[in-house]
Amino acid sequence: AQSVSQHNHHVILSEAASLELGCNYSYGGTVNLFWYVQYPGQHLQLLLKYFSGDPLVKGIKGFEAEFIKSKFSFNLRKPSVQWSDTAEYFCAVNGYGNNRLAFGKGNQVVVIP
Amino acid sequence: DAMVIQNPRYQVTQFGKPVTLSCSQTLNHNVMYWYQQKSSQAPKLLFHYYDKDFNNEADTPDNFQSRRPNTSFCFLDIRSPGLGDAAMYLCATSRESGDRDEKGYTFGSGTRLTVV
Repeated sequence: AQSVSQHNHHVILSEAASLELGCNYSYGGTVNLFWYVQYPGQHLQLLLKYFSGDPLVKGIKGFEAEFIKSKFSFNLRKPSVQWSDTAEYFCAVNGYGNNRLAFGKGNQVVVIP
Repeated sequence: DAMVIQNPRYQVTQFGKPVTLSCSQTLNHNVMYWYQQKSSQAPKLLFHYYDKDFNNEADTPDNFQSRRPNTSFCFLDIRSPGLGDAAMYLCATSRESGDRDEKGYTFGSGTRLTVV
């Protein structure tokens, strides 16, 4: 079964700072990778996803993530955050032929104006 | 817009009193999931339906059951809610896309369950 690790559960930074959230997964085969965002009081929304092709994936709201197969990583980045990026961010993975989407524990990001 | 709808948004139930949460979708996706998300934790998969086939996770308590009467609807039944079952319950859907196995998941807004 696949599993996902996210570190630094709480991240506090100022507006215009750069953000990078780490995500590592364990799974022996080919994977689909996702980053979801959950704004306060709202449902999970898809930020970006990787299925195949270019390992650098661009998502909504200026976010991007890079799949590094050799490191089993799918780190999320944004060069300059805004106060509105305050949210919880979840990395998720599902293995090929597997319906189960496994989530990491999430990163609570607070952006200070 | 096609979407996943969960009702109610907030549910309060008494300890031990059966409760049902509902999920409907207009996406015509063949797979539907129920996740439990407790505060500051990752969403945890309880079970999913692949078409009509029910797939239970090994560590899902027997207290949790599910029904899927048709493609559009899926229900989560908690037979005897305990205080530890208070959580956000998320419904999600996906569609098998054949050989490419590229799954997109769509989540509902969730139902926050409080047990008193």
